[in-house]
Amino acid sequence: GAGVSQTPSNKVTEKGKYVELRCDPISGHTALYWYRQSLGQGPEFLIYFQGTGAADDSGLPNDRFFAVRPEGSVSTLKIQRTERGDSAVYLCASSLQTGGDTGELFFGEGSRLTVL
Amino acid sequence: SQQGEEDPQALSIQEGENATMNCSYKTSINNLQWYRQNSGRGLVHLILIRSNEREKHSGRLRVTLDTSKKSSSLLITASRAADTASYFCATDDRTGRRALTFGSGTRLQVQP
Repeated sequence: GAGVSQTPSNKVTEKGKYVELRCDPISGHTALYWYRQSLGQGPEFLIYFQGTGAADDSGLPNDRFFAVRPEGSVSTLKIQRTERGDSAVYLCASSLQTGGDTGELFFGEGSRLTVL
Repeated sequence: SQQGEEDPQALSIQEGENATMNCSYKTSINNLQWYRQNSGRGLVHLILIRSNEREKHSGRLRVTLDTSKKSSSLLITASRAADTASYFCATDDRTGRRALTFGSGTRLQVQP
């Protein structure tokens, strides 16, 4: 597609449930990022993929959070035993990542997660 | 923790006026980027300035970078109502992390 696509756009779940959020990056972008954004705050880094591997998962808050990118394209962020504090907008971004520096990121519209 | 911190947190101006937003950061960087976010939407990249650059222009945007003070500013000239959005600075720091660290943003309101 033309841009980064995220589904679902909105997800309401109950405390303790399992949730999956999907990200389809721009075709050809090797780098993929997940961020979390709470109301009134900037995006907070969760995890970065280069190709299929998680190159940096230091931002994942705890072991309830896990992300995969099995074929180096689509990624899924998985949250187990959701808690009310997990409520936020989960943003996915991709980039070409051709050099040593981190260049321009292209963001999706986000998945708004509400845990009741 | 947030690397970049924007100032002010909120700014309200009249159409046609200039808007200036500032960003401070803590570590050495490779580059600094500014993003815009309309309410309920994703972030859109505006401009990237490298650590060896001091000033950059793009249309009505002017960005400066002072690495000695670890600060940057974003100037939007001749603002329009459509510029109403949140603006974030993001740093690519030299710790080896291949991800940007975002500040908490400046909410800009441009009154028509």
